[in-house]
Amino acid sequence: AQSVAQPEDQVNVAEGNPLTVKCTYSVSGNPYLFWYVQYPNRGLQFLLKYITGDNLVKGSYGFEAEFNKSQTSFHLKKPSALVSDSALYFCAVRALGGGQLTFGSGTQLTVLP
Amino acid sequence: DTEVTQTPKHLVMGMTNKKSLKCEQHMGHRAMYWYKQKAKKPPELMFVYSYEKLSINESVPSRFSPECPNSSLLNLHLHALQPEDSALYLCATQGSDGYTFGSGTRLTVV
Repeated sequence: AQSVAQPEDQVNVAEGNPLTVKCTYSVSGNPYLFWYVQYPNRGLQFLLKYITGDNLVKGSYGFEAEFNKSQTSFHLKKPSALVSDSALYFCAVRALGGGQLTFGSGTQLTVLP
Repeated sequence: DTEVTQTPKHLVMGMTNKKSLKCEQHMGHRAMYWYKQKAKKPPELMFVYSYEKLSINESVPSRFSPECPNSSLLNLHLHALQPEDSALYLCATQGSDGYTFGSGTRLTVV
C-alpha cells in the first residue's frame, strides 16, 4: 500500500525567510508526486509535480520541490516566504503505473509578518 | 479552479431533503472523482468514474449516489444525510498532466 507522511502539522516562518514543508512517501515502483495548496474554503490548487527527470522541480508562485529517491522524500521549498503563502499544504503520491492518489495529512504553513 | 466548476458553492440541507451537487469540466479528461474533506484534513476518496463508468466506490453509504450523465458532467445525489456528512465535497478530474480540483461545495446538514 502506498502512503505519504507530512511530519509537521504546523510550520511557522518569518516573512522573507526560506521555508520548507516536509514530505516522505512510500509507493510500489516509481512515484508520481504532487504538491497542492488549499486556502480557507477553497479547493486544492496545484503547485507542482514530479514524474521523471530533474530532481529539482519548479512550480507555481515561486515554489520548488526536491525529489530524493534514496530518502523517499519530496520536500517543498521557497527561498523567501510571503504572508500570502499562509495556507494548508498537501503532498500526494501515486504509483507511476496507475492507481489512486494518496494524500498526506497536511501541513498548515503560517508566515509571520 | 475555474477549469472544474462545482455548483452550488454552499448548500444547507435538512436530514430529510434530497439535493444534488454538480461538477462540470471541459478539459476532455476521462477520469472524474468525488472527494469528501473535513476541516484541516486531507480529501477522502468517495467515487471514481472512468470513461463515464463507475470504477471505484470506496464503501460510501447509499445516501450518496453518484451519476455521470456524460463526459463533462458529474453529479452527486444526496438523500437522508446525517450531520456528520457536513464537509467540503470536491470534484476532481485526471488527465495526462495530473489532477485538477474544483473549488468544492461546502455542505452543511442540519
